[in-house]
Amino acid sequence: QKEVEQDPGPLSVPEGAIVSLNCTYSNSAFQYFMWYRQYSRKGPELLMYTYSSGNKEDGRFTAQVDKSSKYISLFIRDSQPSDSATYLCAMSAYGSARQLTFGSGTQLTVLP
Amino acid sequence: GAGVSQSPSNKVTEKGKDVELRCDPISGHTALYWYRQSLGQGLEFLIYFQGNSAPDKSGLPSDRFSAERTGGSVSTLTIQRTQQEDSAVYLCASSLVGRRDRYEQYFGPGTRLTVT
Repeated sequence: QKEVEQDPGPLSVPEGAIVSLNCTYSNSAFQYFMWYRQYSRKGPELLMYTYSSGNKEDGRFTAQVDKSSKYISLFIRDSQPSDSATYLCAMSAYGSARQLTFGSGTQLTVLP
Repeated sequence: GAGVSQSPSNKVTEKGKDVELRCDPISGHTALYWYRQSLGQGLEFLIYFQGNSAPDKSGLPSDRFSAERTGGSVSTLTIQRTQQEDSAVYLCASSLVGRRDRYEQYFGPGTRLTVT
């Protein structure tokens, strides 16, 4: 079993829909949770960053962390065709400035 | 400012040949990471450099893989005697270390390696 599980999709939604992307994990040491967006043939770029449990909102994006359930989510409101990309969750243990553990990514297409 | 750059962007090589992939991190970033991304897979950690410390090589899949970082800046990932299963996108990232609340890694565009 992988440390981080992520539904690969593909996920296709109409423009304006609310998108929910999720990851589950098994390592209770993870404290830092991130979402990266990766456009085709580009490197990942950091979208959202959350420490420990709770919610964080940034514009149309909301990240949620539920450490008790070992479950994290990314919500995209009023989705746009420009949101079409692969979304990767990533996480890291407290005190570790080293490698992140990534999910396999969810491919999202927002149809105009 | 300039981001992380990688070269070449694409590399096609024959099985058994050696390849070198280059990464130029963001100026001033002390940490540098190499990852491998295979089709449909997540990012697989390969190696981590931090300042003058010994690198964390725990993710290197075999002894055919090696990496160095010269002068605390540019890094080269070398794959010897390439195999078809080495075909993937190799991503480099850099970050500032020492800020307890930030683990943001900035990624380069990657090198797409195809072994024929």
